[in-house]
Amino acid sequence: SFELTQPPSVSVSPGQTASITCSADKLGNKFVHWYQQKPGQSPVVIIYQDYKRPSGIPERFSGSNSVHTATLTISGTQPTDEADYYCQAWDSGTGFFGTGTTVTVL
Amino acid sequence: QVQLVQSGAEVKKPGASVKVSCKASGYIFTNHAMHWVRQAPGQRLEWMGWINTGTNGTKYSQKFQDRVTFTRDTSALVVYMELSSLRSEDTAVYYCARPQYSRVGDYYFDYWGQGSLVTVSS
Repeated sequence: SFELTQPPSVSVSPGQTASITCSADKLGNKFVHWYQQKPGQSPVVIIYQDYKRPSGIPERFSGSNSVHTATLTISGTQPTDEADYYCQAWDSGTGFFGTGTTVTVL
Repeated sequence: QVQLVQSGAEVKKPGASVKVSCKASGYIFTNHAMHWVRQAPGQRLEWMGWINTGTNGTKYSQKFQDRVTFTRDTSALVVYMELSSLRSEDTAVYYCARPQYSRVGDYYFDYWGQGSLVTVSS
C-alpha cells in the first residue's frame, strides 16, 4: 500500500537551511504538496505541485521531487518556521499524507 | 474572502454517532468539492474522503467506507460529515478542506476549516 515517509524531526539553527524529505515508491511520477501546521492551528499549503508557492508564502520555502523522494527546503530558516510539516500526494484516487516532520529552530 | 466555519466540539460515547458541519462562504459553493481530513492527537493528517457539492456524489477512504457519510445542503452552503459506531480511536480533530484542482485525480487543499474536536469517551 502507498505510504509517504518523512523523518520525525529536523533541527536547524536560525538563518540556516532545513531540508525535509518525503519518500515513496515512484513518488517522482506524482505531484507532491506540502503543508505547514503550527500547534493548535489548521494546516496551510506552502508548496503545491512539487515546487509552486501560493501567493503570500515566503520565497525561502522551495520544493523539488524526483524518482522516489520529494524535498521541502527552508532557506534562511526563521524562528516562525518552527512547525510540523506534512507532504501529501494521491494514489489511485485516495489521498495520503506523510508521517509528518517537526522542525525545531534552535 | 473564503471561509470554512465548522461546528463546535463534541463529546460522544462509544457506539454513538457524530455529525460535524462545515459552512462555506466567499466562493461559489458548487464550484468546489469538499474533503474531510482528521487528525488524532499527536498523529498525522488522515484523508477521509470527499463530496461533490454539485452532484452530491461521494468518495470515501476505504478505512471509513462503512461508517462515514458526507452530505451537503446547497441552499445553506453547508457540508456535513457523519461518523457512526464511534470508538476511542476516533477521538480527533476533524477538518473540512477545500480542494484546488491540480490535475486529473490530484488536488491540494487551499482552505481549511478551523477543525472540530470530537472526543469519544465512556
